[in-house]
Amino acid sequence: NAGVTQTPKFQVLKTGQSMTLQCAQDMNHEYMSWYRQDPGMGLRLIHYSVGAGITDQGEVPNGYNVSRSTTEDFPLRLLSAAPSQTSVYFCASSYSRKFSYEQYFGPGTRLTVT
Amino acid sequence: AQSVTQLDSQVPVFEEAPVELRCNYSSSVSVYLFWYVQYPNQGLQLLLKYLSGSTLVKGINGFEAEFNKSQTSFHLRKPSVHISDTAEYFCAVKESGGSNYKLTFGKGTLLTVNP
Repeated sequence: NAGVTQTPKFQVLKTGQSMTLQCAQDMNHEYMSWYRQDPGMGLRLIHYSVGAGITDQGEVPNGYNVSRSTTEDFPLRLLSAAPSQTSVYFCASSYSRKFSYEQYFGPGTRLTVT
Repeated sequence: AQSVTQLDSQVPVFEEAPVELRCNYSSSVSVYLFWYVQYPNQGLQLLLKYLSGSTLVKGINGFEAEFNKSQTSFHLRKPSVHISDTAEYFCAVKESGGSNYKLTFGKGTLLTVNP
């Protein structure tokens, strides 16, 4: 299993540009989520999904969109990038059955908005 | 809603010394508790978790944590650290039961092990 994969690893955007951060998992996990990590702030939940076709907002959803058309993929879209979105983005997935609730994290995407 | 407080943002220690990273949580319902580790330029990986049962939980790499319900704490310990333990450590909480999968993370503790 590849686990959770994220592309790209690094990205530089200009203010106002849009882009999609890709996330895929091959573990048949129902739950997927996106976090952003900023220094001294820990990880903050942006959006999450409990299954294909079902998404919901997390703690910091503004400026981001998500969709979940398949179990495997959960892309994060930045509609109009702003310098405040400079961050490291992590995708995670979890298999809820058997009550493990362990979240598996991807390697991250480091985004800089200038 | 739940919250997590990691009481130390940085903990420097010498190699082979014991270490304790402190975590307190707040929740109006029962919770599951987790410690994750993040090595430089990597994603997070699970160290250990408390779901139920014994309050002393053992994890990977010689770490353990103790759940204390009365003090709402879940401190992480290791009796003798190595240079390779240098990393950032995150405590996280999740409401137990139901279909709420969301984790709430603390702000992290940077453990630096010096020779």
